[in-house]
Amino acid sequence: SSELTQDPAVSVALGQTVRITCQGDSLRSYYASWYQQKPGQAPVLVIYGKNNRPSGIPDRFSGSSSGNTASLTITGAQAEDEADYYCNSRDSSGNHLGVFGGGTKLTVL
Amino acid sequence: QVQLQQWGAGLLKPSETLSLTCAVYGGSFSGYYWSWIRQPPGKGLEWIGEINHSGSTNYNPSLKSRVTISVDTSKNQFSLKLSSVTAADTAVYYCARALWGSSTLYYYYYMDVWGKGTTVTVSS
Repeated sequence: SSELTQDPAVSVALGQTVRITCQGDSLRSYYASWYQQKPGQAPVLVIYGKNNRPSGIPDRFSGSSSGNTASLTITGAQAEDEADYYCNSRDSSGNHLGVFGGGTKLTVL
Repeated sequence: QVQLQQWGAGLLKPSETLSLTCAVYGGSFSGYYWSWIRQPPGKGLEWIGEINHSGSTNYNPSLKSRVTISVDTSKNQFSLKLSSVTAADTAVYYCARALWGSSTLYYYYYMDVWGKGTTVTVSS
């Protein structure tokens, strides 16, 4: 079982806004990072830190955090955003272990 | 631009040892945590472990008894060995570069560069 909990699937209409959430105790002290993975490809970092996007990631992707919940928001979802999204952090044990959420399958309708 | 190139055997028999290497091109080796992640077919990402340039390691407790991650700073390479593999170890294995630190109120931890992945199949 994962220490970070994500909804397995979320859908959004083309052009609308969608929020993908990640819950876990470690998120009270860690910023979550978010990764997009399309079929047959390696994950790609889309959000890190408080709300930072790597070069090349569209500004429709944003991140936020409150309490034990981190969120990835896509404002104006595009067809190419359909993918699996994973959150990532260290665990809450203090043993410096990495942990991923179970992933959210985003469908753009 | 930093790139990670990974390689290793793709087909193993049960009880054999998985061995993968990841080479770092175009960037510094120090100051980062060099990580291994795997993804079984149709499933999510699983963190295996990491090593820094000085050789300090952290491992997933569920794999710790079978995993060794090592580093060769002279070649800018790091490696994964997983012993006594079974069919449950069948997965795509990724290497990645991780950053870990703290800002004013929070810690940050993220993997900004990934290898393309190596498919490892364990079958008799």
